[in-house]
Amino acid sequence: DAGITQSPRHKVTETGTPVTLRCHQTENHRYMYWYRQDPGHGLRLIHYSYGVKDTDKGEVSDGYSVSRSKTEDFLLTLESATSSQTSVYFCAISRTSQGGYTFGSGTRLTVV
Amino acid sequence: DAKTTQPTSMDCAEGRAANLPCNHSTISGNEYVYWYRQIHSQGPQYIIHGLKNNETNEMASLIITEDRKSSTLILPHATLRDTAVYYCIVMLFNNAGNMLTFGGGTRLMVKP
Repeated sequence: DAGITQSPRHKVTETGTPVTLRCHQTENHRYMYWYRQDPGHGLRLIHYSYGVKDTDKGEVSDGYSVSRSKTEDFLLTLESATSSQTSVYFCAISRTSQGGYTFGSGTRLTVV
Repeated sequence: DAKTTQPTSMDCAEGRAANLPCNHSTISGNEYVYWYRQIHSQGPQYIIHGLKNNETNEMASLIITEDRKSSTLILPHATLRDTAVYYCIVMLFNNAGNMLTFGGGTRLMVKP
């Protein structure tokens, strides 16, 4: 979607390696979110941010960390990737706490 | 605890109105009803949201019952491109940002 970019779009990595996914926005929105989507589980919130350096955990945060050092970038890091983290990862942004989210196109991560 | 209940799947003829129901009988007074959809392998797309009153935008209409225990998303003239999974979500806002929790959704198939 316009205004939000995820990189990389696809990645294959080995178990135990660190991985960082990037979400970049040009909308200057305050709120940013990381979700993962798996068959049978739908979309689940990993972490979210409500401002620069302000982040909090979602429902499936174990094994993930995030950082937001500037408004436009929200990084998701898998410190030591496991096969259970094979998934499609979506980033989302929101201007206000009441507004609708805009989602990115997703990153397909495969951990072998 | 599922906060919303939706039919697993529905069919609709192209050009006809698609009416997607959602039950949210445990909704609290300050929770909003949101609708998103996800077209195959893309990121979810915001459609509409409301609190008490019916809402309409260029994509759809949202009808919320007076007791707020259920709602209906109406796509007035469904096209083949409306084939997607539609998610009904209830959400409480807080200063740290809203956190969407996606359920299973309704898979809408629009047929020629």
